[in-house]
Amino acid sequence: KNEVEQSPQNLTAQEGEFITINCSYSVGISALHWLQQHPGGGIVSLFMLSSGKKKHGRLIATINIQEKHSSLHITASHPRDSAVYICAVAHMEYGNKLVFGAGTILRVKS
Amino acid sequence: GAVVSQHPSRVICKSGTSVKIECRSLDFQATTMFWYRQFPKKSLMLMATSNEGSKATYEQGVEKDKFLINHASLTLSTLTVTSAHPEDSSFYICSAQAGAYNEQFFGPGTRLTVL
Repeated sequence: KNEVEQSPQNLTAQEGEFITINCSYSVGISALHWLQQHPGGGIVSLFMLSSGKKKHGRLIATINIQEKHSSLHITASHPRDSAVYICAVAHMEYGNKLVFGAGTILRVKS
Repeated sequence: GAVVSQHPSRVICKSGTSVKIECRSLDFQATTMFWYRQFPKKSLMLMATSNEGSKATYEQGVEKDKFLINHASLTLSTLTVTSAHPEDSSFYICSAQAGAYNEQFFGPGTRLTVL
């Protein structure tokens, strides 16, 4: 079993829909990151959180430390949101190195 | 967020040559830089962690003589792929961190193709 599991693996949505991507982890962490990778490769850090909830524009990230679960929400989705979304946790036992989920491929259709 | 650059963004080289990739933190001092490799349709794999002024720490299975890392200053780390072979073709990404518990900021990546 992977230490970081994301679901769904693939997601197709219609423009305007509310999107949720989930991340579960099984290890002790100091922080959880949500990353976005567009075709062509560049990675953008969306959020780093260790508790509660953060919001930036149409993006919202939440984390429940007790349940070892985080969600990334996209409100009013747009085709430009199409990308791979990656959950990564800073693993406490590994000196806070990042352990990555496999990613969720999101496609938003107009 | 902070900006991390990588150069070059794309490089094609002949088998047996060496290739140097630069990673720079443009607006902050990075005490730690990380080098990742990403295979097609796979997630990132950590290759090594480098702290300014000290030797890099390599992950298991990564050849340190093959992938030379230098972190000469708080804003620059380099990865040199020595005697490159086609199996070294990959997408290499660096990230930089201002402190142990701080956010990592990622570079745009370098696509290496070895012919």
